Order: sequence, then C-alpha cells, then structure tokens
Amino acid sequence: QVQLVQSGAEVQKPGASVKVSCKTSGYTFTDYHLHWVRQAPGQGLEWVGCIDGGSGGTHYAQKFQGRVTMTRDTSSSTAFMDLSRLTSDDTALYYCAREIWFYDYWGQGTLVTVSS
Amino acid sequence: DIVMTQSPDSLAVSLGERATINCTSSQTVFHTSTNKHHLAWYQQKSGQPPKLLIYWSSTRESGVPDRFSGSGSGTDFTLTVSSLQAEDVAVYYCQQYCGLPRTFGQGTKVEIK
Repeated sequence: QVQLVQSGAEVQKPGASVKVSCKTSGYTFTDYHLHWVRQAPGQGLEWVGCIDGGSGGTHYAQKFQGRVTMTRDTSSSTAFMDLSRLTSDDTALYYCAREIWFYDYWGQGTLVTVSS
Repeated sequence: DIVMTQSPDSLAVSLGERATINCTSSQTVFHTSTNKHHLAWYQQKSGQPPKLLIYWSSTRESGVPDRFSGSGSGTDFTLTVSSLQAEDVAVYYCQQYCGLPRTFGQGTKVEIK
C-alpha cells in the first residue's frame, strides 16, 4: 500500500533552516510528482512547491522562491524540503502529498515551530 | 494565480440534513488537454491530514460514501453531503489543479446543529 512517512517535529530559531523528509513506499517513486503543502495553526492549506520524482525538476510558489529547495533521493524513494531564513510566520504543519493531478495520498505532516 | 473562494466559511447542519458548500474560481479550471474540470475536494478532520473526496469536479474517490457528491462547471462548483452524519464534522477544501501554483479555497467548517 502507498505510504508517505514524514520526519519528526522540528523546533528552530529565527534565521535558521529546516529540512523535512518524506519517505515513500508502495509505488514507483519516479513515476509521480510530490508536492509540499503547509498549514499554519488554525489556518488553511498553502501550496509550497513540487518536485518531479523522475527528473528532479522543481516548481516553487513565488513567496518561497529563494528560500525553499526541494530535492529527492531516488535510491530511498524520499523527497526533501529545505526551508531557510525561517521566521515565526513559517511555524506550520508541512505535508507532502503524491500528485496524480490531484493529491491522492498525504504524509502525516511535520510540525515546524520557529521560536527564539 | 487562480483564486479559489468558498462559501460559507462555516455551517451547522442537523444530523441527516443536507450540507452544501460552494467554491468559485477566479478563472475557468476546465482544461482542454483532458476535457475535464481540474477541481478536487478534500475533507480534513481535526488532527489529520486532508483526505481526497472528489476529483475531476464530480468523481468520487474509492471508499468515499455516496452521500458525498460534487457538481459544477466553468468557475462554480458545489460539494453536497446529502445526509450529514456525525463523522462528517470537518473542514472541507476545494482545490484547483489546472495550473501552478496549486491553490485551495479558504476552507468551510461543517458542524452539527
């Protein structure tokens, strides 16, 4: 069965960086895109960007350009999202999701807390 | 960017009654490459990731109860829960996958009256 398992919660200081992983199983990693969506406390869903599991090509939301880097390791079927220059506004649950046009499988979410 | 707007922001419905959520996109989400509307609905229960309910505006995901249905075309779409059950308490989101960036509606919170 398809599974997306994300890394554990992180607490970072303002200005620092965080790297979240999304380990997939149950399907051919290189056949799909993986997207990252975040949700601030009590708020809605916000698209961060995506990576092509096959080519490694990426697309990022404009507001994160220059701060986010998405990569993948095909040998372990894992995707990574690196977000730098963190501020308190980046405190959120970060989800990875498999895309088949829409999102059919989601990770459990990784809480990133930015606090001094 | 395609802006997705849902209404209402919240609604309270009695058990067994109908719940209707609307979603409007700022431009069409019909894509000629697929001849379909690139519109999905997700349900998010407290403390859980979103769950896919409906895609291509009206196709129910496998395992989703048939009391959930999607309709609409062009820029106006609707999610209907025909007979609300206690387990349907959640926040519902529409999402367009017609282009990048992917965008979501702000969410509609459904509660029991």
